[in-house]
Amino acid sequence: GENVEQHPSTLSVQEGDSAVIKCTYSDSASNYFPWYKQELGKRPQLIIDIRSNVGEKKDQRIAVTLNKTAKHFSLHITETQPEDSAVYFCAATPKAGTASKLTFGTGTRLQVTL
Amino acid sequence: NAGVMQNPRHLVRRRGQEARLRCSPMKGHSHVYWYRQLPEEGLKFMVYLQKENIIDESGMPKERFSAEFPKEGPSILRIQQVVRGDSAAYFCASSEGSNEQFFGPGTRLTVL
Repeated sequence: GENVEQHPSTLSVQEGDSAVIKCTYSDSASNYFPWYKQELGKRPQLIIDIRSNVGEKKDQRIAVTLNKTAKHFSLHITETQPEDSAVYFCAATPKAGTASKLTFGTGTRLQVTL
Repeated sequence: NAGVMQNPRHLVRRRGQEARLRCSPMKGHSHVYWYRQLPEEGLKFMVYLQKENIIDESGMPKERFSAEFPKEGPSILRIQQVVRGDSAAYFCASSEGSNEQFFGPGTRLTVL
């Protein structure tokens, strides 16, 4: 089955700096890659996703890149703010466009300091 | 437009009791997924259901755990004879049939 690895497990940046979180996946058939943000005690919230026919997607301060050959994808947050502090999870699924389970990475705890 | 609803939000059970967790998907969504999150860990897939059918239960423990999504009413995750290792946050997500899954607030189960 699919295996998703995520690095780093913790990340501390100063406000205004950029943050990058990286994930690798094992199943070459995977073609949908969402990112979720989870604040303490709250539900995971979908913040951005990318499908395998696209190499990069951007939404304001958040961007995701995908390298299918290397089987890795990354989340980039620019101009970080204290409210970006949370745990971020990457995920993968082999069935783009149809309902199927998600395999999650182990999470990255991002701390944005003043 | 209510999102995914879960109840109860917190559930305390003693070892050997049964736990029932309920999930109401977003309006218009007929696909439900259950995930378990242990403290300081990621989300682990348990089961995927579509109205009255279990589509994928590859993440469900073989014993004590069961799930259903009846034609009417919420999806239910049932844990019989709970043990301390069952203590976790259980999240439900729903989708309309595409990849995008929207999560509920979770049920935090504590087994004493």
